[in-house]
Amino acid sequence: DAKTTQPNSMESNEEEPVHLPCNHSTISGTDYIHWYRQLPSQGPEYVIHGLTSNVNNRMASLAIAEDRKSSTLILHRATLRDAAVYYCITSTNAGGTSYGKLTFGQGTILTVHP
Amino acid sequence: DTEVTQTPKHLVMGMTNKKSLKCEQHMGHRAMYWYKQKAKKPPELMFVYSYEKLSINESVPSRFSPECPNSSLLNLHLHALQPEDSALYLCASSLQETYEQYFGPGTRLTVT
Repeated sequence: DAKTTQPNSMESNEEEPVHLPCNHSTISGTDYIHWYRQLPSQGPEYVIHGLTSNVNNRMASLAIAEDRKSSTLILHRATLRDAAVYYCITSTNAGGTSYGKLTFGQGTILTVHP
Repeated sequence: DTEVTQTPKHLVMGMTNKKSLKCEQHMGHRAMYWYKQKAKKPPELMFVYSYEKLSINESVPSRFSPECPNSSLLNLHLHALQPEDSALYLCASSLQETYEQYFGPGTRLTVT
């Protein structure tokens, strides 16, 4: 799995958009990009994933660079409930066989101010 | 039911004890996972079960013994643990491997 690099921490104000960056310069062509978050005292929670195209769901958007060496998780309007550690993860899908192995990096601690 | 449940929530055990952690899901998922998370660190994968067969063992010491008796249930048997094994143990499940994983709240384990 490609190594990911994220800022240790970021801050945002409530109701403002948040852009959380992730570098994965060694990503291979078949690696997926996943984002999970972990709220305090809870298990991680799936946010979104993608391969090449930008993706949207009810929680967030994922913007993937054209060369796939970086991606950005976008929270359109941050709320206090979005304060969490956000993990960017790449996973291997090799030779037609998919693997359920997620290797979590250090993640970004997001603080949301009222 | 979109929940992964884990019992117990907290467990304190001595180094000579034998205990088990339990994880259950009723979402029809066929992949289940054990992770270990030390304080202020990211989760680390321990084991993956796919269709009740062990798919991945991340070189975990034999004092941790996983078991998947059926598609809804995942156990982690603990024996002769060390104090450094104290951590939050997280269980997760997914429809199949590579699908999004749903995590339980974890079992906080303290080894004395």
